Amino acid sequence: EIVLTQSPATLSLSPGERATLSCGASQSVSSNYLAWYQQKPGLAPRLLIYDASSRATGIPDRFTGSGSGTDFTLTISRLEPEDFAVYYCQQYGGSPRTFGGGTKVEIK
Amino acid sequence: EVQVWESGGGLVQPGGSLRLSCAASGFAFSNFGMSWVRQAPGKGLEWVSAISSSGGTTNYADSVKGRFTISRDNSENTMYLRMNSLRVEDTAVYYCAKGARSGQHPYDYWGQGTLVTVSS
Repeated sequence: EIVLTQSPATLSLSPGERATLSCGASQSVSSNYLAWYQQKPGLAPRLLIYDASSRATGIPDRFTGSGSGTDFTLTISRLEPEDFAVYYCQQYGGSPRTFGGGTKVEIK
Repeated sequence: EVQVWESGGGLVQPGGSLRLSCAASGFAFSNFGMSWVRQAPGKGLEWVSAISSSGGTTNYADSVKGRFTISRDNSENTMYLRMNSLRVEDTAVYYCAKGARSGQHPYDYWGQGTLVTVSS
């Protein structure tokens, strides 16, 4: 099983600032099959990034995914008020399709 | 418009059983893999189970293997999760999620979730 470790657990930033979220895998993620999701309280997750760096339909270009192998990053270039949420990475290259523990981006 | 929605959650005693359903509309259901993902109260996401587009291939998390069974009826555009021998630690919101493409896929559409509470 591939274990995904997200850091930091909490990121306290102000609107307009840059957010950098990390996701580390315990072994290489096959074909960089790594996704990022955003979840707001009481709502289902929303797909942001897939295949490590491809933006999902309708996702603003301030969201950028990068990385390969075992180290992946989600960058939000300038935080908008609606971006404060919890972010999860997930690998789907192998079974089980594990999720990271999440990073909460909160308003400073 | 693509939609998936869950039903069948509720309160059940430890050791009991429950069957969740996930209905789908707005896309060619039989062409896409589907999955169940759960979230315990105040916790993160946990992948539970996946089923291929035809239903011929299924996978399970170790935590539910042997107790949960995933299935689908492509003629009814519905996926199911049969949950037996339920434990307190199975308490969670259960989401169904649609695969974004054939082959290895992320999840591009999610239901609103159905709450399963296992308690005496």
